[in-house]
Amino acid sequence: EVQLVESGGGLVKPGGSLRLSCAASGFTFSSYSMNWVRQAPGKGLEWVSSISSSSSYIYYADSVKGRFTISRDNAKNSLYLQMNSLRAEDTAVYYCARVGGIAAAGILGWFDPWGQGTLVTVSS
Amino acid sequence: VIWMTQSPSLLSASTGDRVTISCRMSQGISSYLAWYQQKPGKAPELLIYAASTLQSGVPSRFSGSGSGTDFTLTISCLQSEDFATYYCQQYYSFPFTFGPGTKVDIK
Repeated sequence: EVQLVESGGGLVKPGGSLRLSCAASGFTFSSYSMNWVRQAPGKGLEWVSSISSSSSYIYYADSVKGRFTISRDNAKNSLYLQMNSLRAEDTAVYYCARVGGIAAAGILGWFDPWGQGTLVTVSS
Repeated sequence: VIWMTQSPSLLSASTGDRVTISCRMSQGISSYLAWYQQKPGKAPELLIYAASTLQSGVPSRFSGSGSGTDFTLTISCLQSEDFATYYCQQYYSFPFTFGPGTKVDIK
């Protein structure tokens, strides 16, 4: 079964840092591009960042560029999001999501499946 | 940036109704569009990709159509488990963007 499990969320003060992880199983992780998407409480979905299968291509939303860093460890089947200089407006549930379709399909694609999400709260 | 609008933002309907949700792009995206369903407290789930391809396991009462700038999600016969929020998403170019969502609730 294809599965994504996020961890690392929690309460952090403004200006602080947090590292999210996403553990993948049930598929060849190294063959797929991956993504982070967030959802503020009561709000819609916002794409955050994408990384290609070999980490050659990385993209960020303007709202997080320069503060967040996406990375992956294919040997550990894991995706990461290092979040620095956190702001109140970064408060959200953060989901990791695989690019859908066949392996090695590239970085442009729909999202399937999604993890269950991890909540990040930025507050003093 | 490709901006997206969805209409309506709220749709009140009854079980058995046929419902249609519209998604419009600020520029053409060919068929690089997906639809997701999200229930409260849960992660989104893929319904349709490439504008009209039904994801495996999704009931056939869901269908998608359109290309370019105008897209539609149709639920042919609304079931109780379909009351949820629906989002469209373009994956034509970065930054990926989502529509603001359409909440389908019980009339």
